[in-house]
Amino acid sequence: EVQLVQSGAEVKMPGESLRISCKGSGYSFSSSWISWVRQLPGKGLEWMGKIDPSDSAVRYSPSFQGQVTISVDTSISTAYLQWGSLKASDTAMYYCARSPLVAAIDDWGQGTLVSVSS
Amino acid sequence: DIQMTQSPSTLSASVGDRVTITCRASQSINTWLAWYQQKPGKAPKVLISKASSLKSGVPSRFSGSGSGTEFTLTISSLQPDDFATYYCQHYDSYFQAFGQGTKVEIK
Repeated sequence: EVQLVQSGAEVKMPGESLRISCKGSGYSFSSSWISWVRQLPGKGLEWMGKIDPSDSAVRYSPSFQGQVTISVDTSISTAYLQWGSLKASDTAMYYCARSPLVAAIDDWGQGTLVSVSS
Repeated sequence: DIQMTQSPSTLSASVGDRVTITCRASQSINTWLAWYQQKPGKAPKVLISKASSLKSGVPSRFSGSGSGTEFTLTISSLQPDDFATYYCQHYDSYFQAFGQGTKVEIK
């Protein structure tokens, strides 16, 4: 069974850094892209970017380019989403998601809630 | 960037109704389009890929059509479990984008 297990909820202050994780299992980790998707409270889904674990190539949505960093550690089948300096507007649910290359998203993580407040 | 626009934003319907949601792309995307269903507090679930291919395990009352810039998701007979928010998504080798969502509410 394919599983994407995300790290737990985070409560941070503005200006702090953060890295959240997504561990894949039940499939060949390098064979599928991992995307990150943001959902602001009560709002829709926003694609942030994706990484190809086979070569660590990353594509960002223009809306998120320069705001976050997506990376991967294939030795532990884990993808990451990282912020250097959080803002209150980063408060959201963040999902990782798996798609077999050029295909729709087949599997989703359970989501990581990030709360940023002073 | 390719923009995806869904309509309507909210749809009120009754059990048994035929429901249609439209998704328009700002430029041609061939059939690189998926539909997802999301219920409150849950991750989305894929219903349809490649514009019209029903994913395994998805009830046959769901169907998708379209190509180029205009796409539709149809629920032939709305069931109680179908009240949720639906999103279209364009995907390709470089980029993905979601529509803003359509909430299907009980009339």
